[in-house]
Amino acid sequence: GQNIDQPTEMTATEGAIVQINCTYQTSGFNGLFWYQQHAGEAPTFLSYNVLDGLEEKGRFSSFLSRSKGYSYLLLKELQMKDSASYLCAVIDSNYQLIWGAGTKLIIKP
Amino acid sequence: EADIYQTPRYLVIGTGKKITLECSQTMGHDKMYWYQQDPGMELHLIHYSYGVNSTEKGDLSSESTVSRIRTEHFPLTLESARPSHTSQYLCASSPTENSPLHFGNGTRLTVT
Repeated sequence: GQNIDQPTEMTATEGAIVQINCTYQTSGFNGLFWYQQHAGEAPTFLSYNVLDGLEEKGRFSSFLSRSKGYSYLLLKELQMKDSASYLCAVIDSNYQLIWGAGTKLIIKP
Repeated sequence: EADIYQTPRYLVIGTGKKITLECSQTMGHDKMYWYQQDPGMELHLIHYSYGVNSTEKGDLSSESTVSRIRTEHFPLTLESARPSHTSQYLCASSPTENSPLHFGNGTRLTVT
């Protein structure tokens, strides 16, 4: 079967750095997305990785290792508004999108 | 600025009623999707479409139907609402199969 694993919940301090990991076992790979979802709202796109390495976008960076089936989302200079769920999603060989259950990130002052 | 619109935003309805959740997008995207999501849980694909007159079933499709008569419109119909249908329904679209999804604001459905 196809599976994406993320930690259920993480806690970090305002101003700090946090890394949210995602491991996947899918039938093929055509890309990986990270989305942010605030409570009661729709997911919003953060990043896309299809090649190995680091993609940086301001305070957010995403890393991919296809050989290890592993990605992480790195959030720097954490702000209270970063409290949200972070969803990892993989495009498989049939171009179906496989979603993780999400990591709830709690930011403390 | 929303380019994908869902109505209604909230809906409370009794068991057995037939309901249609509306979704429209103005971006000309071929790919459209319906997801169901309970609070704090993962997204479950209900139906999807790769273009006009094309619809496919997802994991949770058995109690609902969709149509895609126009590119911009992708309504979801529940023939007979049940309390187990209480959830948030999210519509999304994308231009290609490996493009990010654009989500609507969702419809929060409560079946009493």
